[in-house]
Amino acid sequence: ETGVTQSPTHLIKTRGQQVTLRCSSQSGHNTVSWYQQALGQGPQFIFQYYREEENGRGNFPPRFSGLQFPNYSSELNVNALELDDSALYLCASSERGLPEAFFGQGTRLTVV
Amino acid sequence: GEDVEQSLFLSVREGDSSVINCTYTDSSSTYLYWYKQEPGAGLQLLTYIFSNMDMKQDQRLTVLLNKKDKHLSLRIADTQTGDSAIYFCAEGAWGYNKLIFGAGTRLAVHP
Repeated sequence: ETGVTQSPTHLIKTRGQQVTLRCSSQSGHNTVSWYQQALGQGPQFIFQYYREEENGRGNFPPRFSGLQFPNYSSELNVNALELDDSALYLCASSERGLPEAFFGQGTRLTVV
Repeated sequence: GEDVEQSLFLSVREGDSSVINCTYTDSSSTYLYWYKQEPGAGLQLLTYIFSNMDMKQDQRLTVLLNKKDKHLSLRIADTQTGDSAIYFCAEGAWGYNKLIFGAGTRLAVHP
């Protein structure tokens, strides 16, 4: 049990729609990172938030955006959903400067 | 560039040792990690090693790091059926928690 919770656990959306995924970080952690894991692949870094500001971004288009709140919880928003956005979305909670990053159970997004 | 490679599949007999291998390319990586993922679940942090170490042991797990060859391995002693899962190797840099993952090695443990 990592103390990192994500909601919802499963979601089905139609192509072109928008989606918001949520992550509650582990107590005391000020950094949240989001990853996309396509079927059969390793997680790919989307972006990271530290103290409510984006702190690095992977190779994802601008329709992937995020927020971090004062309590360090976070949202991932994806606009104009495409079929290829179907994946497991994982958030990882960490304390900046420390090596451990703990993952939530993920949100399985299916775009039809 | 950043790249992490792993073999895709490993099958072992229950009670034997498992060795999962990984190579990485980023010489600036500060930490190397092993994560475990069971079906339908998130990632569980198993262990990590600082780049100036060459070995770390944690109960049944032994991590070996050859920094010159950029090679990392995870040895699981006395492998059990509960160890069946996908194991991911990842690299990261100090002060920045972005992780670069391999594609994962599926470990199958049979009686």
